[in-house]
Amino acid sequence: QSVLTQPPSASGTPGQRVTISCSGSSSNIGSNYVYWYQQLPGTAPKLLIYRNNQRPSGVPDRFSGSKSGTSASLAISGLRSEDEADYYCAAWDDSLPWVFGGGTKLTVL
Amino acid sequence: QITLKESGPTLVKPTQTLTLTCTFSGFSLSTSGVGVGWIRQPPGKALEWLALIYWNDDKRYSPSLKSRLTITKDTSKNQVVLTMTNMDPVDTATYYCAHTTDYGDYGFDYWGQGTLVTVSS
Repeated sequence: QSVLTQPPSASGTPGQRVTISCSGSSSNIGSNYVYWYQQLPGTAPKLLIYRNNQRPSGVPDRFSGSKSGTSASLAISGLRSEDEADYYCAAWDDSLPWVFGGGTKLTVL
Repeated sequence: QITLKESGPTLVKPTQTLTLTCTFSGFSLSTSGVGVGWIRQPPGKALEWLALIYWNDDKRYSPSLKSRLTITKDTSKNQVVLTMTNMDPVDTATYYCAHTTDYGDYGFDYWGQGTLVTVSS
């Protein structure tokens, strides 16, 4: 049972815009930054979004993050086949240090 | 260029102690704000944060595993070591080490490739 709640799956067709939600509480998302990681099959996670909505160098602007209250979202626009991966949200928690979501498997139809 | 690589046994027996080493390059663990964390992922399951050590030897642990974990650093060797006692089959997972900076504000921005540890008799 993960501290942050994500839908187990999401899907979209090429070119579509999809969003993945992440729900937490006042001790994590509500008072700290949110991060998003992309994990392609058989590889290590890769930082996609930091500080709620900042993209590291090299991450396409098709990926965007937002946060409101105790929830956050990752949006992927112009969906591409190579976006098929698992996506994890994460946040610092005032009591638990780092916490991760349960992950969302994105399928590109 | 920042790189990290995990090393350690691939198979441990139940009740044994696991020792994993993260050897890194491209940064120094004596630089203010820098940290190295450990995250694991059981097969087919989600990521789970385990421990984190900062440049100033500040250490943080997952509360649920704190009694079993110890994280240390050797700045001269560019290594971070994680030990986990009393291993159980449920601890079977890929273990990753990852770099963070600015006391975690930038997230875990560089990850090792991970090492799969199987706990079985």
